[in-house]
Parts: sequence; C-alpha cells; structure tokens
Amino acid sequence: SQTIHQWPATLVQPVGSPLSLECTVEGTSNPNLYWYRQAAGRGLQLLFYSVGIGQISSEVPQNLSASRPQDRQFILSSKKLLLSDSGFYLCAWSVDREYEQYFGPGTRLTVT
Amino acid sequence: TQLLEQSPQFLSIQEGENLTVYCNSSSVFSSLQWYRQEPGEGPVLLVTVVTGGEVKKLKRLTFQFGDARKDSSLHITAAQPGDTGLYLCAGADYNNNDMRFGAGTRLTVKP
Repeated sequence: SQTIHQWPATLVQPVGSPLSLECTVEGTSNPNLYWYRQAAGRGLQLLFYSVGIGQISSEVPQNLSASRPQDRQFILSSKKLLLSDSGFYLCAWSVDREYEQYFGPGTRLTVT
Repeated sequence: TQLLEQSPQFLSIQEGENLTVYCNSSSVFSSLQWYRQEPGEGPVLLVTVVTGGEVKKLKRLTFQFGDARKDSSLHITAAQPGDTGLYLCAGADYNNNDMRFGAGTRLTVKP
C-alpha cells in the first residue's frame, strides 16, 4: 500500500529565516505530487505541483519554491520567511492529475 | 478556472440530526471527490463519484453526483460527534483535468 510522509510536523521559525519542508511517498512510482497551504482550517490553496523529476509548476507567485530531486520526494523551500507564510502545509500525491489525491499529515508552520 | 462553492460554510447540529451539505459549480467535472479533515490532520478521501446521477453510500453518509456533473451533495443521517470535521469537495475539470478544491463546510455535531 502507498504511504505519504511529511516532516517536520510542527515548526516555529523567525521572520527572515530559511525553510525546508520534505515530503516522501512510498509504494508507488512516478506519482503526481502537490504542495498546498491551508489557512485557518479552510480551503486548500494549491502552491505547486509536479508530474515528474525536476518538473515543477507554480500556481501562485510567492515567497516559496519547490523541488523534486527524486521520483518520490518533494521539497518546499524558502530563502527568507515572511509572517504571511504561516499556515498548515499539506503534501499530496495522485496517480494522475484528474485522479483522487492522498494527503500527508501536514506541517504546521508558525513564523514569528 | 472553475469555482467550487460549498454550502453552508458552517453547520452546528445536535447528535442524531440529519444534514445535507452541497458542492456546486458552473463547470462540468469528469469526477468529484469528498474528503473529511480533522483539525491538525490531512484530508482523508471519503468517496469518488464519476457518473452523472450516481449515488454512493458509506454507512450513514450518502453522496450524490448531479445529472449534469456540475454539483454534488453529501447527506449524513443521524449525525454523531465523530462526524465533526471539515468536509471538502474537489472536482477534476472535464476540459483540462485540473483538480480544484472547494473552501469546505465545517460541521460540528454536539453530543
């Protein structure tokens, strides 16, 4: 069966510090991978998605970037965090873009 | 980009009551999913519907996909406190396969 991992689970970082969140998927090959941000327990904002190694599409201009160095690894980064980057970050995978997405446990980021 | 509208945004009911939440759009979907999310956790897939008019049941939950594949509803019978959570719908656009999420309905079931 497939599993998806995210770490860390929680993170408190000062403004201006760098960020690196990691997501890995097990039990599947060549998944589509996604990064979402969720504010205040509401809807999901798609940040990035990837259909393959090194292939990243950005949905919104922002202070964040994403990379996919390996088939089942997806990384969300920032060089300098802003207060507005605080939120709940979710990684997800799917077989293809039109299919169901399966989510990781999320990372709660607080920028102080 | 199609907009998925969920209603109501918030719903607070007593244990044992029935409820229905809705997911509507002006766009046609090739498939539609419902997820439930508990605080501090990732959304969990409940069901996928793909055929217009399709009805799926999951214990006390009944999911219906509209005939035109533009809308869906989730009906919960005899709600329990364990049903509390954020219910999200997501649809794959028929034309470009983009998957989009609604803003969710936050359900609270009081014992």
